[in-house]
Amino acid sequence: GAVVSQHPSRVICKSGTSVKIECRSLDFQATTMFWYRQFPKQSLMLMATSNEGSKATYEQGVEKDKFLINHASLTLSTLTVTSAHPEDSSFYICSARLADTQYFGPGTRLTVL
Amino acid sequence: GQQVMQIPQYQHVQEGEDFTTYCNSSTTLSNIQWYKQRPGGHPVFLIQLVKSGEVKKQKRLTFQFGEAKKNSSLHITATQTTDVGTYFCAGPKQGGSEKLVFGKGTKLTVNP
Repeated sequence: GAVVSQHPSRVICKSGTSVKIECRSLDFQATTMFWYRQFPKQSLMLMATSNEGSKATYEQGVEKDKFLINHASLTLSTLTVTSAHPEDSSFYICSARLADTQYFGPGTRLTVL
Repeated sequence: GQQVMQIPQYQHVQEGEDFTTYCNSSTTLSNIQWYKQRPGGHPVFLIQLVKSGEVKKQKRLTFQFGEAKKNSSLHITATQTTDVGTYFCAGPKQGGSEKLVFGKGTKLTVNP
């Protein structure tokens, strides 16, 4: 149980384009999902909290207009990186909350050329 | 602000040796969670500890939550190459938040 999927697993895009990443809880409903960013050999950096049916809350320093989050259903949250630039290249991981625990998706490696 | 610190940052052991990573929080935690991230993979939930002084075991892994609920440890007995990865501890953000505050992790490498 508690399986979270993410799609795509890898994406390469040109600078200036937008990229959408999907996060799905497959066998449970999640009113709250989280989006993290992880740089090589570093810990997880929380970007935002995604709440079903309401606006996401962003951590300090994270541009909400650049990282658009939509949590349209109890099993799906999407992160759209708008007008991507090379510095946005990173490993993006979502998690879905079940009770007190977060279950992570497999991550999306974004490379912006 | 609230901090969760882990030591050591890196640990290299010979297969068969024991390994311990320590986690310390600047605040009292309602619970502490441990995750394992294999190289190239994503964090996988291992366990949650809730009670003061709690000790839980999963095969060769022993997890402990301190009496003051501010520190925790993960001990692996007789490491195997499959234990390779980064081990993170995490605690709820102060103020009843759903968010977790993660430690920086301990990266374990095992020499066969």
